[in-house]
Amino acid sequence: DTGVSQDPRHKITKRGQNVTFRCDPISEHNRLYWYRQTLGQGPEFLTYFQNEAQLEKSRLLSDRFSAERPKGSFSTLEIQRTEQGDSAMYLCASSSRGQPQHFGDGTRLSIL
Amino acid sequence: AQSVAQPEDQVNVAEGNPLTVKCTYSVSGNPYLFWYVQYPNRGLQFLLKYITGDNLVKGSYGFEAEFNKSQTSFHLKKPSALVSDSALYFCAVRDGETSYDKVIFGPGTSLSVIP
Repeated sequence: DTGVSQDPRHKITKRGQNVTFRCDPISEHNRLYWYRQTLGQGPEFLTYFQNEAQLEKSRLLSDRFSAERPKGSFSTLEIQRTEQGDSAMYLCASSSRGQPQHFGDGTRLSIL
Repeated sequence: AQSVAQPEDQVNVAEGNPLTVKCTYSVSGNPYLFWYVQYPNRGLQFLLKYITGDNLVKGSYGFEAEFNKSQTSFHLKKPSALVSDSALYFCAVRDGETSYDKVIFGPGTSLSVIP
C-alpha cells in the first residue's frame, strides 16, 4: 500500500505533555497538508508544505504547534504543553500540483 | 474568501432509492470543487472533482455531481443507494485563482441508507 501513512493512530496523554505525530506522504507528492478534525466537523486547515518549505499556517496554529518537513519527505507535527482543547483527530494529506489530496487515517489525540 | 455550506446535517434514504447530498460554495475566482467520503475512524477518501468542462462529473462507486454556476452549487448524487454508502460526506472548494492547493471543507453531511 503506497498511501499516506500516519503514526501513531491513537495517542493518549496528560495535559501539559508534549506530543509529536508523523506523516509519511505518497512518495511522488511534493505537497503536504495538516488538518485538525473535531467530532461532527469538517477538517480545518492547519498548515501546508511544498517540498520542505512551509508556505502557509492557519491562525488555528498557536505558538504551541510546530510542523516540519525536513528534506521534503515525511513531516512531523508537534504540540507542546497540550491542553484539553487539543483533543481531536489530526489528519495529514498529500498531493501533486492541481491534483486531489490523498488523506491518511489520522492520529486521534486524547488529552486526560 | 472561500466557504462551503452543506445545509443538511443528516440525510436518510432507503436502499435502492436515489440520493442527493447538497453543497453550495463561495469563491472569488473559478472554483475547483471536490467531494470526499469518510468512514468511521478513517481518513477522507476522494470521490470526484470538478475543475472545468462538463457540468456533470462522474466519480468513484457510482457517485456523480452536478456543477451549477448560477446557483453556486455542487450537489452529490447517486441513482441507487447502497447500505454501504452510509458515511460522512464532505464537500470542499479551492479557489482556482490561487497558486496554493489550500482547500476549504464543508461541515459534512451524515448519510444513512436504510435497508
